[in-house]
Amino acid sequence: QVQLQESGPGLVKPSGTLSLTCAVPGGSISSSNWWSWVRQPPGRGLEWIGEINHSGSTNYNPSLKSRVSISVDKSKNQFSLKLNSVTAADTAVYYCASLSSTWYVFDYWGQGTLVTVSS
Amino acid sequence: EVLLTQSPDFQSVTPKEKVTITCRASQSIGTSIHWYQQKADQSPKVLIKYASQSFSGVPSRFSGSGSGTDFTLTINGLEGEDAATYYCHQSSSLPYTFGQGTKLEIK
Repeated sequence: QVQLQESGPGLVKPSGTLSLTCAVPGGSISSSNWWSWVRQPPGRGLEWIGEINHSGSTNYNPSLKSRVSISVDKSKNQFSLKLNSVTAADTAVYYCASLSSTWYVFDYWGQGTLVTVSS
Repeated sequence: EVLLTQSPDFQSVTPKEKVTITCRASQSIGTSIHWYQQKADQSPKVLIKYASQSFSGVPSRFSGSGSGTDFTLTINGLEGEDAATYYCHQSSSLPYTFGQGTKLEIK
C-alpha cells in the first residue's frame, strides 16, 4: 500500500518561502500516478495546489501559479512543494496525495502537516 | 474553474437515519465527481468515485448518484462513526476543485 509522509518546517516567516517534501515509502514515484499537494486552512475546506508526474510534467492551480513550484526527485522517491512570498493566508495543513491515473481520485494521502506563517 | 456547492453546510442527525448530501457543479461535468469523508484531525478518505462507484473497502451504506451538474451522497442507516465532514471533488477539468464541505454531527 502506498504511504505518503510530509516533512518540513512548521513555521515560516511572512514573505518567506514554504518548503515541504513528501516521501513515498512503499510505492514508486515513477508510477503513472500524479503526485499532488492539497491544503486546508484551519477550520476550512480543501484547496488543490498542484501536481507533478514522474516525468516532471506539472499542473498548478491558477490562483497560486505565480508563487508555487512542485518538483520530483526519483532517486529519493519523493516530491516537493515550494510556495514563495507567503502571508498569513497561507497558514494551513498541507497534504501530499496521490491522484490515481486510473480513476482520477486522491486515493492515498499523507497525514498532513500544519504550516503557520507568522513572524 | 468548476465551482462545487454543497448543501447543507451542517446537519445534526440521529443514528440509523438516512442522510442525503448534495453537490451542485457550476457546469456539466458528466460523472467526474468523487466523495470523501474527513474525520476530525484525519486525512480525507475516498468513499465514492465517478458519482456512483463505491471505492474499495467502503461500507455499503454509502452510495452516490447523479450526473451533469447535480450529485448526491446518501448514507443509509447512519452510524456513530460516520460523524465527519464530507466533501465532493471534481476531476473533469483543471484546476481540481472541492465543495466547501458538509459537517455531519451525530446526536
